[in-house]
Amino acid sequence: QVTLKESGPALVKPTETLTLTCSVSGFSLSNARMGVSWIRQSPGKALEWLAHIFSNDEKSYSTSLKSRLTISKDTSKSQVVLTMTNMDPVDTATYYCARIRRDYSSWYFDLWGRGTLVTVSS
Amino acid sequence: SSELTQDPAVSVALGQTVRITCQGDYLRSYLASWYQQKPGQAPVLVIYGKNYRPSGIPDRFSGSSSGNTASLAITGAQAEDEADYYCNSRDSSGNHLAFGGGTKLTVL
Repeated sequence: QVTLKESGPALVKPTETLTLTCSVSGFSLSNARMGVSWIRQSPGKALEWLAHIFSNDEKSYSTSLKSRLTISKDTSKSQVVLTMTNMDPVDTATYYCARIRRDYSSWYFDLWGRGTLVTVSS
Repeated sequence: SSELTQDPAVSVALGQTVRITCQGDYLRSYLASWYQQKPGQAPVLVIYGKNYRPSGIPDRFSGSSSGNTASLAITGAQAEDEADYYCNSRDSSGNHLAFGGGTKLTVL
């Protein structure tokens, strides 16, 4: 069974750095056609893609958040980590990790974690 | 603002057909994928590629694309299809992704 599970703090203070971990099972982070993305959703708002990383360590970041984000993976631990610096209350959201697949002309998120709610407040 | 544009809300009578659209320049080059999200739940992939459904997604869901518009059709909408639907595609860089603003589907 393929699963992804997010973990991290539920509450962070403004200006702090958020570190989230996505633990995957049922597939390998070394699979060439698969990667892991982070996506967030502020309360009542739309989904927002943040970053992704593929097996060859190819990474990509949201243009608007690029300066604050770092994504990395530990294949041996089957984990993908996202850090976001200088957190602000507007970053309050549910953060999801999702498996991303890329086939020829289509990239898509075929499996999602349940998400973790992060609240930014002093 | 989203680079992919969706109507905020659409309604359909039970058993009828509804089409949810997604517009964006990048859709001329890249195929969209579609996600269903029910309240308090994670999104679920319903359509990807030219018109593929993951295992477990009913065949009343279908996808199409023309020019700068991708569409998700539900033929014979059911009460359980009431949800938010999001499109997603690569953007002009080819290496970034973008979501549409979402469409809230109400089944009457």
